[in-house]
Amino acid sequence: DVKVTQSSRYLVKRTGEKVFLECVQDMDHENMFWYRQDPGLGLRLIYFSYDVKMKEKGDIPEGYSVSREKKERFSLILESASTNQTSMYLCASKNEREEGTQYFGPGTRLLVL
Amino acid sequence: ILNVEQSPQSLHVQEGDSTNFTCSFPSSNFYALHWYRWETAKSPEALFVMTLNGDEKKKGRISATLNTKEGYSYLYIKGSQPEDSATYLCALHTGNQFYFGTGTSLTVIP
Repeated sequence: DVKVTQSSRYLVKRTGEKVFLECVQDMDHENMFWYRQDPGLGLRLIYFSYDVKMKEKGDIPEGYSVSREKKERFSLILESASTNQTSMYLCASKNEREEGTQYFGPGTRLLVL
Repeated sequence: ILNVEQSPQSLHVQEGDSTNFTCSFPSSNFYALHWYRWETAKSPEALFVMTLNGDEKKKGRISATLNTKEGYSYLYIKGSQPEDSATYLCALHTGNQFYFGTGTSLTVIP
């Protein structure tokens, strides 16, 4: 059974804190993605990675960075958390086939106070 | 950024009713159109991957069609059951990215 796991389901942090969201996949997928989901908006891409140590900005990268040191792990970093980063964060992975589907983690609901 | 639209935003149907919703998109140049089901407190789960104009896919009571020339896909659920209650997302895969619609929230009333 394929699996994408995220380190936390719920997280509460204070403004200015550095926040790490971890994502691990066990499918040997090359591509990994970080999205955020907010009410009334579709999933929006923050960053993606198509290989170890490779990363590309998505549509809303400001305030975030990522790290991919190993193929199975893709980390999202909020360098200095702000209240407008309160959101649901979803990680996904997919293989290299063009029509390949994404597999999602369960999401991390982050509240920044 | 591509604007993928889904309608309606939400839907309440009685158990046993059939229903359908729409995903519309502006581009005919894409790899695939994906449908996902997202149940509360769970991960979004892939339903269909559609790549060709006129594609029709089916999984049990759920089916989907794709019209690339006019830029839409329909998702149909026949004889809705309470376990079909979820948010249904469509996503257009183009370039390196997936562009998601805002989803249709379906509630099936027993």
